[in-house]
Formats: sequence, structure tokens, C-alpha cells
Amino acid sequence: DADVTQTPRNRITKTGKRIMLECSQTKGHDRMYWYRQDPGLGLRLIYYSFDVKDINKGEISDGYSVSRQAQAKFSLSLESAIPNQTALYFCATSHSPGHEQYFGPGTRLTVT
Amino acid sequence: GNSVTQMEGPVTLSEEAFLTINCTYTATGYPSLFWYVQYPGEGLQLLLKATKADDKGSNKGFEATYRKETTSFHLEKGSVQVSDSAVYFCALMGDSSYKLIFGSGTRLLVRP
Repeated sequence: DADVTQTPRNRITKTGKRIMLECSQTKGHDRMYWYRQDPGLGLRLIYYSFDVKDINKGEISDGYSVSRQAQAKFSLSLESAIPNQTALYFCATSHSPGHEQYFGPGTRLTVT
Repeated sequence: GNSVTQMEGPVTLSEEAFLTINCTYTATGYPSLFWYVQYPGEGLQLLLKATKADDKGSNKGFEATYRKETTSFHLEKGSVQVSDSAVYFCALMGDSSYKLIFGSGTRLLVRP
């Protein structure tokens, strides 16, 4: 079984709709992250969480919100989706600062 | 601020050719450096890392040496295979940071 899972894997939604992307991990890591990947831009950090009560904005948090329901679960929400949020979204986890991050398989989101 | 620059792709090689993907960085202090690989339809996987100057990371025939004097971390492989076709990301993490800063990625295509 995969250590970091994301659901759904693909989603098409319409402008203005609310959508939630979910991430679960079995690695026992405290730190979890949400990134988006756009062609030619690499990965950019949206939000990160160091534990259930510690949530922080990344470099591109506008238009997104997150919820850390448990150590193992970290959800990303788009309150009112817009077309320029069409991207590949990745969840990642890490044990502690300075350690490598482990990525989920990604969610491909298309906003029409 | 910290940043990573890597060569634009795609890089197209024949099987058994020598591979170099250039990566340079800008950072204060002593960052850790990483190469991640993304195979088609999958998330990112850590390929190798180096945490201090002159360290050499290696894995699956790939190598990269942390060169502080040239602020570089070039990825090399002596003989590529078709199965190495993927997108390769160079990344850094600052010495007092949680954040991974990614380059824009380089697509490698290896032809039989």
C-alpha cells in the first residue's frame, strides 16, 4: 500500500464550485504539505502543517484553505474554483525539518 | 531569497548515452540539495540528496556532487536507459527551513 494517498486522482469541476482534495498518510509524519505543479514552474507551496494545531500559508495560498483533521489527514479546499487553479496538486509529508519529503501520486484538477 | 535554476528541456538522448542535467542554486548558509524524479502519471520520488559541501549523492546509477564554490548540483548518469525517461527536479532546503524550493523541472526522453 502507498504511504501517501490522495483522492480523487482526477477531477473536473466548474467555475465557482467548492472542491476538496484529500490526503492521507501512513508514515507517521507530523509535517504535511500541499503543492501545486504547473508546466514550466516546478512545484509551489500552498500550505503546510507541522502538527494538527499548526497550519501555515505557503507562497500561493490565496484562493485555498486547508484542514488538518488528524495527524494522518490533511485536506485542501478551493472555496470557489477558478480556471487558473487548473493544475496538478501534490500532498507531501516529512519527518522533521531538513528531511526529505515524500509525495503522493497527485490529483489532476481541471476547472472549466 | 533562495532559488533553484535548472536547464530547460526536453533533453533527448539515445540509450546508453551520458546524461548531465545542470542545476545551480542561490541560497544563504548551507542548504541541503535534492534531486527528485517524476515518472509519467506518478508523484515525485527522491532520487538522491546531499547535505553539505563536497558530498556526493548517488542512487540507481545517478550521481550529483554538492559544489559550494560554483553553487551547483548537476545530475549525471553514465549510461541512460529508456526507463529513465521522466521529469527531473532539482530542489533545495535552507539550513534553517522546512521549505523545499524547486527548479522548474527538466524532461528527459531516452530513445531505444
